[in-house]
Amino acid sequence: NAGVTQTPKFRILKIGQSMTLQCTQDMNHNYMYWYRQDPGMGLKLIYYSVGAGITDKGEVPNGYNVSRSTTEDFPLRLELAAPSQTSVYFCASSYSGQGGGGTEAFFGQGTRLTVV
Amino acid sequence: AQKVTQAQTEISVVEKEDVTLDCVYETRDTTYYLFWYKQPPSGELVFLIRRNSFDEQNEISGRYSWNFQKSTSSFNFTITASQVVDSAVYFCALSEAYQGGKLIFGQGTELSVKP
Repeated sequence: NAGVTQTPKFRILKIGQSMTLQCTQDMNHNYMYWYRQDPGMGLKLIYYSVGAGITDKGEVPNGYNVSRSTTEDFPLRLELAAPSQTSVYFCASSYSGQGGGGTEAFFGQGTRLTVV
Repeated sequence: AQKVTQAQTEISVVEKEDVTLDCVYETRDTTYYLFWYKQPPSGELVFLIRRNSFDEQNEISGRYSWNFQKSTSSFNFTITASQVVDSAVYFCALSEAYQGGKLIFGQGTELSVKP
């Protein structure tokens, strides 16, 4: 199994450009997430989805958009890139466990994005 | 509000020493889940353990052990006889029930194990 696959691994954007970070998982997980990790910090949730067609904002959603048209794919769109969006982005997936809590989350390898 | 605090930003030990990484959490829910993840220098996130709020049994897995105490809202992680390969950033995280499995992460503890 490939698990969670993110592309690209690295990207440099100029201020004002747009891009889409791709994420796909082959574990049939219903939950998917996008986190960002700034240097020396923990991960912060950008957006998440509990199933195809359902998305919701996390802690830091400004400047980003998502869609979830299939169970497998959860792309993250950056519009009008800004230096504050320089970060490492992680996509993750899990499935709903007993008691309504998520189970172990599987993470992609990360995308290192620099906005200059 | 939910919050996870890892007060130790960096810890440095010599190989074979025991080391404990602290994690304190805040939540109003009675049903929640606690996690530890490891992030080695290569950058990926590796799952270590998941514990639900109704299970306060300590857990041991090889050189790793976890101490969950609801009375102090803590979920500490101990590595016994540390090795250089344990060098990594360790994250504690909290997930509340019926919240889509969202993880609230602490800021991480960078562990450096020197030979």
